[in-house]
Amino acid sequence: DTAVSQTPKYLVTQMGNDKSIKCEQNLGHDTMYWYKQDSKKFLKIMFSYNNKELIINETVPNRFSPKSPDKAHLNLHINSLELGDSAVYFCASRDSYNRGGLPETQYFGPGTRLLVL
Amino acid sequence: GENVGLHLPTLSVQEGDNSIINCAYSNSASDYFIWYKQESGKGPQFIIDIRSNMDKRQGQRVTVLLNKTVKHLSLQIAATQPGDSAVYFCAETVFGNEKLTFGTGTRLTIIP
Repeated sequence: DTAVSQTPKYLVTQMGNDKSIKCEQNLGHDTMYWYKQDSKKFLKIMFSYNNKELIINETVPNRFSPKSPDKAHLNLHINSLELGDSAVYFCASRDSYNRGGLPETQYFGPGTRLLVL
Repeated sequence: GENVGLHLPTLSVQEGDNSIINCAYSNSASDYFIWYKQESGKGPQFIIDIRSNMDKRQGQRVTVLLNKTVKHLSLQIAATQPGDSAVYFCAETVFGNEKLTFGTGTRLTIIP
């Protein structure tokens, strides 16, 4: 009954390749996010989608293209991978209407560890 | 133990002692603050939150203090346990906003 799930958990690939990371949430949330965490543990938002529409794009290179087929899924496709893309990528979700009465917060997935060689 | 820092600082505390983790936030317009715990190999997990109309909020073994005058947030963990070992992040936002801004994090190690 995982709330926010990501696949794959580990991804090792060569520079120049194209890869995708998938995220699904079963919380009924309407907003989803992608974050990048670097080797120093710094967490930075990349994208946010609300009901399949892009609402935040934090000057991420256009090699990164998020896709939201429905409000429960937010996938991240990365073209022409570079060494600097190596990081842990976290998906998160939030109920923007706070219908569940829970804290106004984001719920994170377990992360995808990407290593570009 | 108590620690403040801009890079990922490390705080070591004896099991059973209390710990205090500090955070300086950047945006004076922020009115909602959250503490997250990130264990090794996992995603950040919500611990406790506080809105700017409060200066203290208590949970189970955790207390968050907010000082808006100096833009400072702290997380107190009472009677620490080995399971408290993790990286702790503060995050700030304007309530209802989609965007969270995270602090740099503090690595807390509980010494058995």
